[in-house]
Amino acid sequence: GDSVTQMEGPVTLSEEAFLTINCTYTATGYPSLFWYVQYPGEGLQLLLKATKADDKGSNKGFEATYRKETTSFHLEKGSVQVSDSAVYFCALSRLTGGGNKLTFGTGTQLKVEL
Amino acid sequence: DTGVSQNPRHKITKRGQNVTFRCDPISEHNRLYWYRQTLGQGPEFLTYFQNEAQLEKSRLLSDRFSAERPKGSFSTLEIQRTEQGDSAMYLCASSLDPRYEQYFGPGTRLTVT
Repeated sequence: GDSVTQMEGPVTLSEEAFLTINCTYTATGYPSLFWYVQYPGEGLQLLLKATKADDKGSNKGFEATYRKETTSFHLEKGSVQVSDSAVYFCALSRLTGGGNKLTFGTGTQLKVEL
Repeated sequence: DTGVSQNPRHKITKRGQNVTFRCDPISEHNRLYWYRQTLGQGPEFLTYFQNEAQLEKSRLLSDRFSAERPKGSFSTLEIQRTEQGDSAMYLCASSLDPRYEQYFGPGTRLTVT
């Protein structure tokens, strides 16, 4: 079945540091890929998405590229801020044969310190 | 835009009791999904509806769980004879169409004592 593997946290960075959170997936067909973010005390929010190979999703300075050859969708940001502290979830969905339900990774907690 | 709402936000119940949660999706969203999230894990799919039709149920959804969406608007998730292992955050999400983004509600946190 479908699965998503992402790096374990917590990841602790200083403000303005470069961020990478690794995500790899296993799925049949051509899934869409997502990064969701969960800020403390809040619900899940879509951060960015990519629907086909080589697409780059970007939002709020974050970006991720859909790499079919390596089945990866790593999240990057050039300069993190304290306000980026949250839990980040990589996810996939398949419209065909999958009902478009989301399959999530276990989440990676990011802590950004001054 | 009122977003997806869920009630109650927190529920504490004793083992063996029945509980019911409600989800109100964004108006005109045809798809409604339920997920469960335990501490330190990502959300796991439970079931989804297209309008009032329940199209898929995960094997995680035992016979004690039932979900409905009677008029294709709000949905309820009932757990009968709760067990401690049912303690989790129950999340609801809706989308206009399967091709579009799922919007999540704040969740209902269930604690079974």
